[in-house]
Amino acid sequence: EIVLTQSPGTLSLSPGERATLSCRTSQSVSGGYLTWYQQKPGQPPRLLIYGASSRAPGIPDRFSGSGSGTDFTLTISRLEPEDFAVYYCQQYGSLFGQGTRVEIK
Amino acid sequence: QVQFVQSGAEVKKPGASVKVSCKASGYTFTSYPLHWVRQAPGQSLEWMGWINAGSGNTKYSQKFQARVTITTDTSATTAYMELSSLRSEDTAIYYCARGGYCGGGGCSFAMDVWGQGTTVTVSS
Repeated sequence: EIVLTQSPGTLSLSPGERATLSCRTSQSVSGGYLTWYQQKPGQPPRLLIYGASSRAPGIPDRFSGSGSGTDFTLTISRLEPEDFAVYYCQQYGSLFGQGTRVEIK
Repeated sequence: QVQFVQSGAEVKKPGASVKVSCKASGYTFTSYPLHWVRQAPGQSLEWMGWINAGSGNTKYSQKFQARVTITTDTSATTAYMELSSLRSEDTAIYYCARGGYCGGGGCSFAMDVWGQGTTVTVSS
């Protein structure tokens, strides 16, 4: 069974700080088919990063994705107030991780 | 613009079935896969399955294989997700989403447009 593990579960940071979110898969994800989404309360998910490192249209450049194989990272270089949300990784357009909540410290 | 409009909230009794619709507009409906994802209260996202809107071929998560049916009406540019034998654990928001996003970084499995969600409550 393939598993996606996101860490940490919750990240408590202040605006302006750097956020580093991890997504580890139990099997290698080829071709960079790793996707990141942002979700705010009461809203559907929003596509942030596709192909492990490509930003979707309209996504600010403070968001960046990296990694390959089984280890992937989403980095928010300087948190803005609107970035406090839950972030999910997904592999191959199917399985999702359990999410990382980025909350205001 | 590309958008999905889903059907309204449903309340069902255990053992019943529910059919949620997802009306697409603003793009060529048959050119993209259409996924269904659900989210139970306070929980993560859970992928249920997808349909190739052009061919009608489907692929379902093993968890839902026996209970879910995803279909499309291409003339109405609408997708449907039917879940049978409902139980309380199926209480969730159900989303449709367009997959197969292609951008400057290439093509992917990413879902770039989502419906607003349909709340399904299963309660006796």
